[in-house]
Amino acid sequence: GAVVSQHPSRVICKSGTSVKIECRSLDFQATTMFWYRQFPKKSLMLMATSNEGSKATYEQGVEKDKFLINHASLTLSTLTVTSAHPEDSSFYICSARARTGLNTGELFFGEGSRLTVL
Amino acid sequence: AQSVAQPEDQVNVAEGNPLTVKCTYSVSGNPYLFWYVQYPNRGLQFLLKYITGDNLVKGSYGFEAEFNKSQTSFHLKKPSALVSDSALYFCAVSYTGRRALTFGSGTRLQVQP
Repeated sequence: GAVVSQHPSRVICKSGTSVKIECRSLDFQATTMFWYRQFPKKSLMLMATSNEGSKATYEQGVEKDKFLINHASLTLSTLTVTSAHPEDSSFYICSARARTGLNTGELFFGEGSRLTVL
Repeated sequence: AQSVAQPEDQVNVAEGNPLTVKCTYSVSGNPYLFWYVQYPNRGLQFLLKYITGDNLVKGSYGFEAEFNKSQTSFHLKKPSALVSDSALYFCAVSYTGRRALTFGSGTRLQVQP
């Protein structure tokens, strides 16, 4: 159980275009999803916290107008990278917390999406 | 505020030998501590967690970790390493079950045959 699906796993786009990444909790309801960004050989940096039905909370330094996050249902959150530039190229990973995990903090992670902006 | 330190970028160990991957943390209040493993171009897989209770926590694939409050450490251990254990390991902390996790910088474990 507790499977998180992330799509697409790889995407290549041209500079200036927008890219949408989907994160789905397949067998549980996720009231909260977190979006992380991982640079090569670096740790995961929290970008934003996404709560179902409300606006995402962005970490300091993350441009909310560039990284649009929507959490329209208890099983789906999307990250849209708008007007992508080469410096946005990275590995983006979503994670979700199940209702039953509210007290234990455990997060379940998607497989990640590698974005390459040409 | 919460933070995690993984002092070793890489740990090398021979197959069959015990392994330790170090982690120290800083958090206000009681910590929620986690270990995750990441294989190339993949997401993170949960290994184990400490919330309360016994200081020695057993997890997946034969891994265990020991919570040491006085040393603010949560080192990952395995009695006998396998080549297939080679991967990137992340320690993570939160001070509540509701916040996002803060990750350490990661330690690459290389198990040699």
